[in-house]
Amino acid sequence: KAGVTQTPRYLIKTRGQQVTLSCSPISGHRSVSWYQQTPGQGLQFLFEYFSETQRNKGNFPGRFSGRQFSNSRSEMNVSTLELGDSALYLCASSHIPGGKETQYFGPGTRLLVL
Amino acid sequence: GESVGLHLPTLSVQEGDNSIINCAYSNSASDYFIWYKQESGKGPQFIIDIRSNMDKRQGQRVTVLLNKTVKHLSLQIAATQPGDSAVYFCAVNNNAGNMLTFGGGTRLMVKP
Repeated sequence: KAGVTQTPRYLIKTRGQQVTLSCSPISGHRSVSWYQQTPGQGLQFLFEYFSETQRNKGNFPGRFSGRQFSNSRSEMNVSTLELGDSALYLCASSHIPGGKETQYFGPGTRLLVL
Repeated sequence: GESVGLHLPTLSVQEGDNSIINCAYSNSASDYFIWYKQESGKGPQFIIDIRSNMDKRQGQRVTVLLNKTVKHLSLQIAATQPGDSAVYFCAVNNNAGNMLTFGGGTRLMVKP
């Protein structure tokens, strides 16, 4: 079974631009979560989606948004990029939400904001 | 809320020795705990998990111990190998969804 895939793997943007990252969960997994990883703040939860609905949201500004499609694929968007948004963005999928099932992570998208 | 801390940012062990990585959490209502391994350039890889109704769980060369009294979690790796070199994170889930709170990570270095 294929793992979680994320595209693109690397991205360079400039301040003020916006970016969209994509995540395809493991086949059959319906819950997708997003995390931001930085050297200073570590791994931080952004949001979780199930059945095209956001179920949980972390403590990030409204510039960070996401959505999920009917095939469980998910995208996250960051608008008006800031230098501090440079990070590794990780997507994780699990079979069902709320069942506290194992979350499997993708390889991440490394975003550099100049 | 929840905070998760790690006792040591770096751990250096000799190949073949056992490794112990520790983690502390703050919320006594936390009921699901996971250990992940992250190698350079990769996403976190699931190692082992444990629920609050257990205090020990074993996998292949790994054991997780949970002490709910002191809110402490540990990962033991037996016969540590060079391939075990990575950053290890503990993560805690104490809510109805899949939101994980991660510790800061311990970098395990295995000396040949």
